[in-house]
Amino acid sequence: EDQVTQSPEALRLQEGESSSLNCSYTVSGLRGLFWYRQDPGKGPEFLFTLYSAGEEKEKERLKATLTKKESFLHITAPKPEDSATYLCAVQASGTYKYIFGTGTRLKVLA
Amino acid sequence: NAGVTQTPKFRVLKTGQSMTLLCAQDMNHEYMYWYRQDPGMGLRLIHYSVGEGTTAKGEVPDGYNVSRLKKQNFLLGLESAAPSQTSVYFCASSTPIGGQETQYFGPGTRLLVL
Repeated sequence: EDQVTQSPEALRLQEGESSSLNCSYTVSGLRGLFWYRQDPGKGPEFLFTLYSAGEEKEKERLKATLTKKESFLHITAPKPEDSATYLCAVQASGTYKYIFGTGTRLKVLA
Repeated sequence: NAGVTQTPKFRVLKTGQSMTLLCAQDMNHEYMYWYRQDPGMGLRLIHYSVGEGTTAKGEVPDGYNVSRLKKQNFLLGLESAAPSQTSVYFCASSTPIGGQETQYFGPGTRLLVL
């Protein structure tokens, strides 16, 4: 069964304290792995798509990496405005469906 | 360019009432999706569509119906609402470009069933 597990469930960081969020997945052939940011009361906002092991993508203070079993979202020197829930999703080969994890709630303290 | 819009933003229903949620996108995307988001459960796929006139079941389709008569619109219907359908509903759209696919979400509809 295709499955996505995110850890930790919640994370509190001081401003400038770098850390990583984890997304572990099992899927019958990976078509793509997706990271989203979701602010309270809003819809998820697309961040990255990764397609193959070894791939990396960056955007400002965020960097996403992918292995055959997991993905990491690295946050370098975070700011309070990075506080949000970060969602991971996978899409299996031969399907249009996305399987989402339950997210990591990130709080960055000034 | 509004992206993905959802109507209504918030609704309260009594058990047994029916309603339709409307999703519209102006990006000419082929694929459209309906999800529900519940605390601790993450986003779960209800139904999806890969083109005008086509729909398919997702992970949690029971109690819902959908239609995609026009490419830009994807309707989600609840024929007889139940308290278990209290949730936040999100619509999304996407289209593959150069083998890559980006999914864009609407702002959500908050539904309370009493």
